[in-house]
Amino acid sequence: QKEVEQNSGPLSVPEGAIASLNCTYSDRVSQSFFWYRQYSGKSPELIMSIYSNGDKEDGRFTAQLNKASQYVSLLIRDSQPSDSATYLCAVDHAGKSTFGDGTTLTVKP
Amino acid sequence: EAQVTQNPRYLITVTGKKLTVTCSQNMNHEYMSWYRQDPGLGLRQIYYSMNVEVTDKGDVPEGYKVSRKEKRNFPLILESPSPNQTSLYFCASSFQGLDYGYTFGSGTRLTVV
Repeated sequence: QKEVEQNSGPLSVPEGAIASLNCTYSDRVSQSFFWYRQYSGKSPELIMSIYSNGDKEDGRFTAQLNKASQYVSLLIRDSQPSDSATYLCAVDHAGKSTFGDGTTLTVKP
Repeated sequence: EAQVTQNPRYLITVTGKKLTVTCSQNMNHEYMSWYRQDPGLGLRQIYYSMNVEVTDKGDVPEGYKVSRKEKRNFPLILESPSPNQTSLYFCASSFQGLDYGYTFGSGTRLTVV
């Protein structure tokens, strides 16, 4: 079993819809959880961080964390074609970070 | 501009020829890290550093060395590169703390022939 698993995708949603990305992790000592966006040929870019159970909202993005279920999710509301990218889930413990393989999202106009 | 700068962007080298990829950040971040990204294997951490003179192994440290003599710099050293180290390498840095994720450099594409 991988330490960090993401829904394999690819995921395709119409413009304006909600995109839902999921991630599970196996290491219970993980302290912080992150979502990165990576456009093709570019470096990963941090879009959300969360470390407490519950929801955290930032603009069109909402991260959800459930430590008991070892589950992290990212919701993107009002999806735009510019959101088309690969989304990477990462878990971190004091600088040591493990990434999932990513979910590729396509938002169709 | 706040950034992580890595050099070179592209490098082709031969097996066994020692090389160094430099990484520098201007954000006064405590943490720095090196990753490699390979198709089908994702992004994997090689080494990370919590502060000056404090480093630790990530998931794939074999064949690599690092040092953190200054807070802003974190070079990656391949003492004897091999073809299986052909990859896309990213340096990243962050503040210490639960809410801080990594800021990534632009990447170094290394080919070992």
